[in-house]
Amino acid sequence: QLQLQESGPGLVKPSETLSLTCTVSGGSISSSSYYWGWIRQPPGKGLEWIGSIYYSGSTYYNPSLKSRVTISVDTSKNQFSLKLSSVTAADTAVYYCASQAAAGPFDYWGQGTLVTVSS
Amino acid sequence: QSVLTQPPSASGTPGQRVTISCSGSSSNIGSNTVNWYQQLPGTAPKLLIYSNNQRPSGVPDRFSGSKSGTSASLAISGLQSEDEADYYCAAWDDSLNVFFGTGTKVTVL
Repeated sequence: QLQLQESGPGLVKPSETLSLTCTVSGGSISSSSYYWGWIRQPPGKGLEWIGSIYYSGSTYYNPSLKSRVTISVDTSKNQFSLKLSSVTAADTAVYYCASQAAAGPFDYWGQGTLVTVSS
Repeated sequence: QSVLTQPPSASGTPGQRVTISCSGSSSNIGSNTVNWYQQLPGTAPKLLIYSNNQRPSGVPDRFSGSKSGTSASLAISGLQSEDEADYYCAAWDDSLNVFFGTGTKVTVL
């Protein structure tokens, strides 16, 4: 069974870049059966898909965030990462990483990590 | 903003049946499958239904999903106190973007 764990700073200053890493265990990030995704949830609000990546490096981003998002994969470390540039208070959220079976449902989720954007 | 619309709330007494709707369009629900997630307070979402009506292993058969045209529904039969949670639908669109529904809070009275 896959396990995913987010890591990264819990506090980021406005205009800076938010960087998070998701470490995958219990399976290979190079599996052809999975995409790997990032989803966020502002406090008290709903879920928002940020983007997904295939082990080959193919990426799919939310059009509303595309200009600020970069998702990458490191197969040697079994990790994938999120970078979100020029952050504002509106980017304050719990950020989740998840596996996406056959480009379908998000079937395994990390526990989430709260990132606060504040000076 | 989400393109999948759900009612903000739903409620029922223990044992009742509750239904949650998810309304989309021809470019998302109309041409792709729908998944449902349950989010208990303070926890990560959990996959509840995939491919419109399939339950992952371990999900009780009290939960069922359906799809018709550009809308989908989640039904909870025999409502239990532990079903009190937020529920989200989700679907791909034709450009391979993923959209989550606006979310429905289910309260057990």
